[in-house]
Amino acid sequence: AQSVTQPDIHITVSEGASLELRCNYSYGATPYLFWYVQSPGQGLQLLLKYFSGDTLVQGIKGFEAEFKRSQSSFNLRKPSVHWSDAAEYFCAQGRSNYQLIWGAGTKLIIKP
Amino acid sequence: GAVVSQHPSWVICKSGTSVKIECRSLDFQATTMFWYRQFPKQSLMLMATSNEGSKATYEQGVEKDKFLINHASLTLSTLTVTSAHPEDSSFYICSASWGDEQFFGPGTRLTVL
Repeated sequence: AQSVTQPDIHITVSEGASLELRCNYSYGATPYLFWYVQSPGQGLQLLLKYFSGDTLVQGIKGFEAEFKRSQSSFNLRKPSVHWSDAAEYFCAQGRSNYQLIWGAGTKLIIKP
Repeated sequence: GAVVSQHPSWVICKSGTSVKIECRSLDFQATTMFWYRQFPKQSLMLMATSNEGSKATYEQGVEKDKFLINHASLTLSTLTVTSAHPEDSSFYICSASWGDEQFFGPGTRLTVL
């Protein structure tokens, strides 16, 4: 069965430092991959997505992700985090009928 | 961008009562809507896929008689939790598909006493 793994339940990063959130997927010759952010009281917001083409994807809020087929990974990165980036981040993989398979999420904590 | 609303944002009810949650796409028409349930500190669990004008498709283990879904128009889907019990307390999130993307509502916090 398809599954998406986010190995880190939470990550603490100092403000201004770089960030990498890990995501591994288990299925799909050409996976459709997404990163979403969930802030308290707000709906899930799409940061970026990968369907095909350039394996380095640029998203909103300064985030990027790189698709690596050989590693079945789609890690999210940001060169310098801001306190407002503190939130829960979810990696997801699309399957037929537009359904999404979700990772367990990674909570990002920002140290001042 | 595409906006999805949910109403109510939170609700508290007594055990045994039914609760209806509305999901609306405000500025686009959504042929397909999804209902999710999210437990504390956990990921989203897909409950059902709702297509306008047809019966919803429920995921394995989700009781369709307990979680009634109606998708009567291209902008509105409703989830009714019937005879709610404390174990139904959760955060319910809907999403609507438009193109190749899903847009999410802000969620509804249901607490059953």
